[in-house]
Amino acid sequence: DTAVSQTPKYLVTQMGNDKSIKCEQNLGHDTMYWYKQDSKKFLKIMFSYNNKELIINETVPNRFSPKSPDKAHLNLHINSLELGDSAVYFCASSQPTSGSWDTQYFGPGTRLTVL
Amino acid sequence: AQSVAQPEDQVNVAEGNPLTVKCTYSVSGNPYLFWYVQYPNRGLQFLLKYITGDNLVKGSYGFEAEFNKSQTSFHLKKPSALVSDSALYFCAVRPHGGSQGNLIFGKGTKLSVKP
Repeated sequence: DTAVSQTPKYLVTQMGNDKSIKCEQNLGHDTMYWYKQDSKKFLKIMFSYNNKELIINETVPNRFSPKSPDKAHLNLHINSLELGDSAVYFCASSQPTSGSWDTQYFGPGTRLTVL
Repeated sequence: AQSVAQPEDQVNVAEGNPLTVKCTYSVSGNPYLFWYVQYPNRGLQFLLKYITGDNLVKGSYGFEAEFNKSQTSFHLKKPSALVSDSALYFCAVRPHGGSQGNLIFGKGTKLSVKP
């Protein structure tokens, strides 16, 4: 069984469109994250949710809006897509209780291409 | 500013030889340190972590890392490299007392193991 899954795996769209990426984890974790990996492979956190509440929101444009319907899901909605949004987006989850200290488990990634 | 440095973009090693992938960090307080590996077109996989205790940490696939507080380093090592170890390796740090999920990643080092 896949621990952290993302859909779709590939997403090609035009500038100005609105798109969503879905993430689900079956690990029972309380905390979920979205990361962006750019073309140079640099990985940076975008958002973090704990039990459906936002706890980290790095300097991400407000065109990006995470939605957590329950603690097993953290979806990423992007409005008015721009060329610079092209990247690989990774979802991750963790259970930061004593002893696990942010061992994060990553999904396979969604490669977003904006034309 | 808190940061993680991986000074080598690429490390080339012959199969069977020992390998080292370097990582240094700059954070306030005692850090929690991690290594992740990313195979082509895959998400990141956790390799090992240092929280406290023995400075030499053993992880998955025969990898180990040594925490050196005086040199603020956490180099990844393996005594005998395999071709299948070829991948992108990320060092990450969570500052002690940092907000939940606040992992700071290095820019990654590409490891290439030749037969």
